[in-house]
Amino acid sequence: KQEVTQIPAALSVPEGENLVLNCSFTDSAIYNLQWFRQDPGKGLTSLLLIQSSQREQTSGRLNASLDKSSGRSTLYIAASQPGDSATYLCAVRGSGAGSYQLTFGKGTKLSVIP
Amino acid sequence: DAEITQSPRHKITETGRQVTLACHQTWNHNNMFWYRQDLGHGLRLIHYSYGVQDTNKGEVSDGYSVSRSNTEDLPLTLESAASSQTSVYFCASSFGTRRNEQFFGPGTRLTVL
Repeated sequence: KQEVTQIPAALSVPEGENLVLNCSFTDSAIYNLQWFRQDPGKGLTSLLLIQSSQREQTSGRLNASLDKSSGRSTLYIAASQPGDSATYLCAVRGSGAGSYQLTFGKGTKLSVIP
Repeated sequence: DAEITQSPRHKITETGRQVTLACHQTWNHNNMFWYRQDLGHGLRLIHYSYGVQDTNKGEVSDGYSVSRSNTEDLPLTLESAASSQTSVYFCASSFGTRRNEQFFGPGTRLTVL
C-alpha cells in the first residue's frame, strides 16, 4: 500500500527566505505527483503536477522536483511572502492500469512571518 | 468559468439520520472523487466514479454510498449518520487522461451530534 510522508509537519520562516518542503512515497511505481495548497477552511488548489517521466516543473516562484527512483519530491518556494502561508499537500497517483486515485500526505503547514 | 461546487457548505445533523452531500462540476470531467479530511489522518478517499453508472469503493467507504446518473453530479449519501462521520468532505474531479490533474471543491463541513 502506498504511503506518503511530508516532513516537517509545520515550518515557520521569515519573509524573503527560500524554503524547501519535502514529500516521500514508499512505492516508486507512480504515474505522477501533484502538489496542492490549502488555505484554512478552504478547498485544495492545484499548484504543480509532475509526470513520472519529468524531473521538475516550475510555476512562478515555485519549483517542484521529482526523483521517482528514490521516492522523493521537493517543493521549492523562492523569496517567501506572508501570502504563501498555508498548508501544502503532496499526492501521488499509482501506475495501475485505469487507476486515477490519489494518495495524500498529511501536509506541511507553512507560516511566513513578516 | 468551469468549476466544481459543493452544497451545503455546512451541515449539522443528528445520529441516525440520512444525509446527502451534493457535488456538481461543469468541466465535463469523467472522473469524480469524494474525500474526507480529518486531523491526524489527512485526506482519505471514500468513493470514486470513472463515468456515468460507474462507482467504486475507496479506503473508507463503510457507511457511505454514491450514485452517478450524469456526468456533472456525484452525490454522497450517509445512510445513517454516526458521530465518527463528523468531518470535512471534499469532492474532486479530473479528466480520465494521462495527466489526470485533480480539481477540488470548497468542501462541506459536516457535524453529527
